[in-house]
Amino acid sequence: GDSVTQMEGPVTLSEEAFLTINCTYTATGYPSLFWYVQYPGEGLQLLLKATKADDKGSNKGFEATYRKETTSFHLEKGSVQVSDSAVYFCALGNSGNTPLVFGKGTRLSVIA
Amino acid sequence: KAGVTQTPRYLIKTRGQQVTLSCSPISGHRSVSWYQQTPGQGLQFLFEYFSETQRNKGNFPGRFSGRQFSNSRSEMNVSTLELGDSALYLCASSMGPSGSGNTIYFGEGSWLTVV
Repeated sequence: GDSVTQMEGPVTLSEEAFLTINCTYTATGYPSLFWYVQYPGEGLQLLLKATKADDKGSNKGFEATYRKETTSFHLEKGSVQVSDSAVYFCALGNSGNTPLVFGKGTRLSVIA
Repeated sequence: KAGVTQTPRYLIKTRGQQVTLSCSPISGHRSVSWYQQTPGQGLQFLFEYFSETQRNKGNFPGRFSGRQFSNSRSEMNVSTLELGDSALYLCASSMGPSGSGNTIYFGEGSWLTVV
């Protein structure tokens, strides 16, 4: 079945550092890909999405490009802030008959 | 536009009791999904309803059940509570089925503590 694999956390970075969180997927067909973020004590929020190959999703300085050839959707940000500290989830949607599939989440801590 | 609303936000129950959690989706959304989040197991899918029909069910015991009403509001019930049911229960809504590429929007969750 469809699956998503994210890099294990936690990830600790200094403020203004470059961030990459790896996400790869296994799926048939042409899934839609998502990144969700969960701030402490809150539910998940959509960060960005891409619905077809080579699409780039972007929001709040974060970017991810849908790479079908490498089945990846890595999340990047050029300069992280303390306020970016959160848990990031990669997710995949491929069929109306199955639910959205989430990765296990990657906890990011940014220190000043 | 109001977001997904979950009630109650926090609750404490005793082992053996039952609990009902409520979710009001975004207006116009017909799909509601429920997830359990714990530190050890991460985010686990419970079930999804679309137009009052359960479309998918995760790997949880029969003590976990849900339903969706004609106005798309949903409830989930956990009977005979166990200590391991302590978790954040998240509800999410979307226009159509979640796996179809529709964006799902989460509520802030209901924190359940079983003592």
